[in-house]
Amino acid sequence: ILNVEQSPQSLHVQEGDSTNFTCSFPSSNFYALHWYRWETAKSPEALFVMTLNGDEKKKGRISATLNTKEGYSYLYIKGSQPEDSATYLCAFINDMRFGAGTRLTVKP
Amino acid sequence: DTAVSQTPKYLVTQMGNDKSIKCEQNLGHDTMYWYKQDSKKFLKIMFSYNNKELIINETVPNRFSPKSPDKAHLNLHINSLELGDSAVYFCASSEYNSAWAGGRDNEQFFGPGTRLTVL
Repeated sequence: ILNVEQSPQSLHVQEGDSTNFTCSFPSSNFYALHWYRWETAKSPEALFVMTLNGDEKKKGRISATLNTKEGYSYLYIKGSQPEDSATYLCAFINDMRFGAGTRLTVKP
Repeated sequence: DTAVSQTPKYLVTQMGNDKSIKCEQNLGHDTMYWYKQDSKKFLKIMFSYNNKELIINETVPNRFSPKSPDKAHLNLHINSLELGDSAVYFCASSEYNSAWAGGRDNEQFFGPGTRLTVL
């Protein structure tokens, strides 16, 4: 992996569904990976800073894991709510490269 | 109090003009960044300053020049504006230079963005 890639590009789920998405990044000489939540007409807001292989972080219903050896991070949302609708960005901090984001829409 | 502020929020100008966008952070952070959100909505790093010193300078036209009078401010000057410069520009700050943050949380705090339209 040479670029920071996020999948899927967009996701539509029903309220109450759990969901997850992926960020893939170059696996050499890792510094950190950040996850950001970006609501329409607002600025990106930090969710997690992941620094160590095997990191698992949790904030309410949202959690993230990190595998630096294989170059991926997962973001999980349990029991999605309409207010979770946003674009979720990951950033590979070695060179400040952001992925294109996963746009999540949660339908009531 | 706004943590990272940018002015102006909107900027409409003619091709060929010179303009500036200002950014200020009141978080006491050492590092500041400028990003451009391109037409595909990607955030792309342009510059990063740590304590008034340039540490990241991506391949951007030299018409773009950052200036950091002190560590709380990072302004972006753009000379001879072109149509392709139209975009949303985001300023951000973090406590440390990310390369030196080690295991510490070093998330970035973003400003509200400046929408630049070049006519």
